Amino acid sequence: NAGVTQTPKFQVLKTGQSMTLQCAQDMNHEYMSWYRQDPGMGLRLIHYSVGAGITDQGEVPNGYNVSRSTTEDFPLRLLSAAPSQTSVYFCASSYGFAGPYEQYFGPGTRLTVT
Amino acid sequence: GQQLNQSPQSMFIQEGEDVSMNCTSSSIFNTWLWYKQDPGEGPVLLIALYKAGELTSNGRLTAQFGITRKDSFLNISASIPSDVGIYFCAGLADYGGSQGNLIFGKGTKLSVKP
Repeated sequence: NAGVTQTPKFQVLKTGQSMTLQCAQDMNHEYMSWYRQDPGMGLRLIHYSVGAGITDQGEVPNGYNVSRSTTEDFPLRLLSAAPSQTSVYFCASSYGFAGPYEQYFGPGTRLTVT
Repeated sequence: GQQLNQSPQSMFIQEGEDVSMNCTSSSIFNTWLWYKQDPGEGPVLLIALYKAGELTSNGRLTAQFGITRKDSFLNISASIPSDVGIYFCAGLADYGGSQGNLIFGKGTKLSVKP
């Protein structure tokens, strides 16, 4: 099992560019989520999905889009990158409704927007 | 919204010392999770707690689910250099059977005493 994988590991964007951060899991988890981590702010939820075809907003969704066409994949799209989106992005997954509810994290994508 | 207060924010350890940290909330949680994050990596799950009053160990780590369901504690006994990192607590409220979202504390950073 690879667990949760994320690509790329590092990315530099110019303001206004768009890009997609990839996330995949091979544990057949229903629940997947995206967080951003900024110094002193902990982990903040951007978007989440409770199953294929179902997504919803978290605490800080503005400027990001998600879709979930398969159980395995949950990409995060930055529509028009801004310096405020410079952060480390983590994808996580868990079993979902029936539990257990432990979330497993990917290794992260470090994004810099200049 | 719900918030978790994690303390201390940072602490220095000397090899062999015991370490304690805790998380408190004004809301009731049904699940408490403790994670550790090493530099440049994603958070890794250490301990999961599901019942009020539960005390669970994982090697030198012991965590407790407070009886009020509003707090949790993590203790590390006889610390070693590889214990350095950032420790996060996370709580999950019960949303009537659906998968709620984890709420994260802002972390406790463990460093080695100079």
